[in-house]
This record gives sequence, structure tokens and C-alpha cells, in this order.
Amino acid sequence: GQNIDQPTEMTATEGAIVQINCTYQTSGFNGLFWYQQHAGEAPTFLSYNVLDGLEEKGRFSSFLSRSKGYSYLLLKELQMKDSASYLCAVSDSNYQLIWGAGTKLIIKP
Amino acid sequence: ETGVTQTPRHLVMGMTNKKSLKCEQHLGHNAMYWYKQSAKKPLELMFVYNFKEQTENNSVPSRFSPECPNSSHLFLHLHTLQPEDSALYLCASSQDGERTYNEQFFGPGTRLTVL
Repeated sequence: GQNIDQPTEMTATEGAIVQINCTYQTSGFNGLFWYQQHAGEAPTFLSYNVLDGLEEKGRFSSFLSRSKGYSYLLLKELQMKDSASYLCAVSDSNYQLIWGAGTKLIIKP
Repeated sequence: ETGVTQTPRHLVMGMTNKKSLKCEQHLGHNAMYWYKQSAKKPLELMFVYNFKEQTENNSVPSRFSPECPNSSHLFLHLHTLQPEDSALYLCASSQDGERTYNEQFFGPGTRLTVL
């Protein structure tokens, strides 16, 4: 079966760095997405990785290792507004997105 | 209006009611999606329409009936729902449903409660 695993909840301090991990087992791989979803709002796109390595975009970076079926989202200089759920999704062999359950990130002052 | 809009934002219905959810995208996309989001569970893909043709139906019960009259509008018709159908229903769109890089843009969702 297809499976995406990510931690249910994480807590971090304002100004710090946090890494949210995602491991996957899917039938085929056509890229991995990270989305951010604030409570009561729509998910919004953060990043896309299809090749191994690190993609940096401002305070957010995303890493992919296809051989390990592993990705992480790195958030630096955390701000209170970063409190949200972070969703990992993999595009499978049919280009359909398989979603993880999301990681709720709580930022404390 | 910009992006993807959904109406209503909140809906409470009895098990014998019939209601419809509406989604509209203003992005010129050709693919539209319905997802169900339940607490602490992964997004569940329900239906996919690509160029107005239904290309995916993930074993969704027949009490959910999608309709896509054109590439900008998507409906989800609901009838004789069960309490376990209570969830956030999200609509999304993408440029098309077949390319590798297929960023999806989501609407704000309809919070559905079935009594």
C-alpha cells in the first residue's frame, strides 16, 4: 500500500529552527510537495522537490532523498505566524497526490 | 474574486436532506478536485475532473455525486449523508491533471456537519 508518515505534532520556540520529517512508500514517484495549512484555512503550496538535495526558499528549505524515501521541511527564524499544520504529499506513478496526515507545529514565545 | 472559492463555508444538514457544495476557480486551470479532510487524517481524494471529464473516483459512496459543467465550476451534490461524513470538504484546481509538476491550489473548504 501507499503510505506517508510524518509526526503528528511538534513544538518549537520563536526564533529557533525546526525540522519536520516525512517518509514515504508509494507506487512510483513524481515529486514531493509541502503545503502549509493554518487552522480553518486552505492549504497553500510551500515547495516541490523531484531531485535529491536541498531547495531553499527564504526561511523555508525542503530536502529530498529518493533512495531513502525521505524528505524534511526546515523552518528557520521561527515566527508565531508559522504556527500551522504542514502537509507532506507525494505524486505517485499516476500523478495523483498521496497525502500525509500533517504535522501540527506549535510555536511558543 | 481570485483563486479558488467555495460556498457555503459552513453547512449543517440532517441525514435526509439534499444539499450541494459549489467550487469555482478563477485561475484558468483545467483540472479540479474534491477532497475530504477529517481531523488527524490524511486528505482523501474523492473525485478528479480533467478538462471536464471525470478521471478519478476513489470508491466514494454514491451519496456523493459530483458535477463539472465547465472547467471553472465544480459541484458536489449530497444526499442521505451519514454522521461520519462530517468533515471539511476541500476543492482544488491545477493547470491540468496529468503533468508531473502539478501544484494544486485549494479553496477555503466547506465545514460540513451531518446531524
